[in-house]
Amino acid sequence: DGGITQSPKYLFRKEGQNVTLSCEQNLNHDAMYWYRQDPGQGLRLIYYSQIVNDFQKGDIAEGYSVSREKKESFPLTVTSAQKNPTAFYLCASSILSTANTGELFFGEGSRLTVL
Amino acid sequence: AQRVTQPEKLLSVFKGAPVELKCNYSYSGSPELFWYVQYSRQRLQLLLRHISRESIKGFTADLNKGETSFHLKKPFAQEEDSAMYYCALSGGTDKLIFGTGTRLQVFP
Repeated sequence: DGGITQSPKYLFRKEGQNVTLSCEQNLNHDAMYWYRQDPGQGLRLIYYSQIVNDFQKGDIAEGYSVSREKKESFPLTVTSAQKNPTAFYLCASSILSTANTGELFFGEGSRLTVL
Repeated sequence: AQRVTQPEKLLSVFKGAPVELKCNYSYSGSPELFWYVQYSRQRLQLLLRHISRESIKGFTADLNKGETSFHLKKPFAQEEDSAMYYCALSGGTDKLIFGTGTRLQVFP
């Protein structure tokens, strides 16, 4: 089954701990994105990457970090510096710049709960 | 600044009634606008884009630059249309800006 795979689906973390969310795609897409989805706030962009070894901050990058060592993978680390990390995280990818096509392919999401 | 506004958090209609989900945007240039949908227990997916001028599942959306709007419309709602709908804007950059979403409930 091709597409985007996020893991884990559910994750619990204690305050002060870093946690890494995995995102893998086998669509051969160049661009990958991380969004955070909160009730009443829609989707907010955390980080995005258009090519390997390069990424840019989105609107709410503070307290997060990413890497893009392989085209297929774009892991997101939620650090202890993130003030309100409990949220639903969505990973997406696209074949071209979104300005051209607008079609993002999304994963099923990872729900992080900080205890 | 680029912004997308969806003023309604929840829209409830009966089956067969017309539906209009509102979307307003803020962008000084020529925008690219999209509607995404998330059905229960499914992934977020693209529904339609304004540049294609297409009708998908009976839904249409017209870009009105004068009113900076991109409302999503369907003349006769179906129960299977119940979902979360997001309007999104690409303002000449390589990222999409999403609105806060509107939940559509279609009652039988």
